[in-house]
Parts: sequence; C-alpha cells; structure tokens
Amino acid sequence: EPEVTQTPSHQVTQMGQEVILRCVPISNHLYFYWYRQILGQKVEFLVSFYNNEISEKSEIFDDQFSVERPDGSNFTLKIRSTKLEDSAMYFCATSRGLSGNTIYFGEGSWLTVV
Amino acid sequence: AQKVTQAQTEISVVEKEDVTLDCVYETRDTTYYLFWYKQPPSGELVFLIRRNSFDEQNEISGRYSWNFQKSTSSFNFTITASQVVDSAVYFCALSEAGDYKLSFGAGTTVTVRA
Repeated sequence: EPEVTQTPSHQVTQMGQEVILRCVPISNHLYFYWYRQILGQKVEFLVSFYNNEISEKSEIFDDQFSVERPDGSNFTLKIRSTKLEDSAMYFCATSRGLSGNTIYFGEGSWLTVV
Repeated sequence: AQKVTQAQTEISVVEKEDVTLDCVYETRDTTYYLFWYKQPPSGELVFLIRRNSFDEQNEISGRYSWNFQKSTSSFNFTITASQVVDSAVYFCALSEAGDYKLSFGAGTTVTVRA
C-alpha cells in the first residue's frame, strides 16, 4: 500500500532556530496537508496545498510557517524562529481529491524545541 | 464551535470484551464525510473508515463495526472481542463538502488489558 513518507522522524532544535520538515506524498495524490498534534491533544489542521499554492490555512498557520513543493516531489513545512510551544508531532497528509477523499497520513515528525 | 465530540476520554477493557466509542458531530451541510483513525502508541495515524452522509448503512470489517445515525448525528465505532493490539487512541473526524480539512475530535484512549 502506498505510504506518505516523512523525515525526520524526530528533531530537537534550539529555540529561535529554523526547522524544515519534509514529506514525500503518495504519487498520484494532488492535495497535500500539514497537521499538528501537541502532546496529549487533538490533531489540528494547519494548511492545505494544491496546484502549488495554499488552498486553506488555519489561524495557527501564521507568518512563522511556510510550505512549498520545491522539486515536484518533496512537500516541506518550514517553521521559522521556533518557540517552545511549537513542540509537537507534525503530520503530513495527502489525498487524491477534495472533501470526501480519504486523507492518508504519514508517520509524523516529532519536533522538540528546547 | 466544536464540530466533533468524543465524550469518552479513556476506556479500559479486558481482552475479549467489546468496546464502543462514541462520536457526535455537528454540521449544517447536507453533504459531509466522517472518518475514524487509529493512533497506536508508535504515533502514526492509521485510516480505518470513511463514510459519506448519504450512506447510512452500517459497516463491518472484521472485528470493527460502525453505526452511522444521521438522526442523532452520531457515528459510533465498536471493536468486538478486543485484543491488546487494539490499544490506541481513536479519533473521529469530519470533513464538510468543499472543505480541504478534517476536523478531529479529541480522541478516545482505549486500553485493552490481557
């Protein structure tokens, strides 16, 4: 079964540093997403990306965050000037189509900001 | 506003017992989609089922079954003859027509004791 692949699985970073999380989507999927899960809490939507642009973003996704698909394969989430409260599991997800299509999640990237 | 409510925070059962997880959703759309995901201790999010609002048939997949009731806005999930490997956090999620994102419930932690 095709999988969404995320790297790194775990990253520890100093407060104020920039972090890039990477995702390889399922090959025939057109919609890409990032979700976040702070430890012990619910999974929260950050951003969706289609046709090389952001299609929707949540209030959490402020100027500190950015996404891109620079080489047509990797889908990245960049977090600038990391804060302690950015510590969370970040999930990449992809789907073939819009609402109603199953969204498949990667195994997550656990970010710890110290 | 909370779109998906999972009122049960934690459920603990002994192996072979049945366990039912409640999910109540809220939407004004007539077309919407409901999902269940499993998050085992390893952290990944595993897709279990997708159901659209026009299909109220209950579904069974092995030891898993789902009861969708539009009249009560509920999409409950039952694990029959639970096993230790069923221990996980289970999330119910909603996607509305034309929407890019999933709205997750807070999750229910299921612990199956041997």
